[in-house]
Amino acid sequence: QITLKESGPTLVKPTQTLTLTCTFSGFSLSTSGVGVGWIRQPPGKALEWLALIYWDDDKRYSPSLNNRLTITKDTSKNQVVLIMANMDPVDTATYYCAHRLGWFGDAFDIWGQGTTVTVSS
Amino acid sequence: EIVLTQSPGTLSLSPGERATLSCRASQSISSTYLAWYQQKPGQAPRLLIYGASSRATGVPDRFSGSGSGTDFTLTISRLEPEDFAVYYCQQYGNSPPLTFGGGTKLEIK
Repeated sequence: QITLKESGPTLVKPTQTLTLTCTFSGFSLSTSGVGVGWIRQPPGKALEWLALIYWDDDKRYSPSLNNRLTITKDTSKNQVVLIMANMDPVDTATYYCAHRLGWFGDAFDIWGQGTTVTVSS
Repeated sequence: EIVLTQSPGTLSLSPGERATLSCRASQSISSTYLAWYQQKPGQAPRLLIYGASSRATGVPDRFSGSGSGTDFTLTISRLEPEDFAVYYCQQYGNSPPLTFGGGTKLEIK
């Protein structure tokens, strides 16, 4: 059974850097085809994809946020970390990590419960 | 970047009725890499359909997806009370970025 869980601060100040951790079980990020993505959702708004890391350490980022995002993996700990620099109140959202569908492509078949991040001074 | 436009924004129907949700892409999506998700309040999205028409594991067969190119449809053949939720489409054929539509809220009439 695949599960994912996000963790990190619930409140950050503007200009600070956000670090979120996705801890997963039921799969290995060293297996071909596997990937983990991050998606966020501002309150009452639609989903927005942020980043995706693959089993071979290839990484993809949203072009609109590329210069602020870093995604890394720790295969031995079954974790994926997302770092977002220079946080702003518009970054207030629920942040989800999700398991890639595998060789069927970059859809997400299993999601974490999400973690809510508020950006405020 | 491919922009996905979902319509209608809100759909009001009764249990037992048929629901048809639309997702239109600003340019053709390669290899029908189009997914549909269901999201209920306070919950994470749930994958329903991938590859435009393949049902994800455990999804009831009243849910079906169709379409190609720029026009895609999610159909719920006979609405159950638990189907009232927000539905999002996502394209993953031309990335980055992966993009989501703005959502269709399916509400009880």
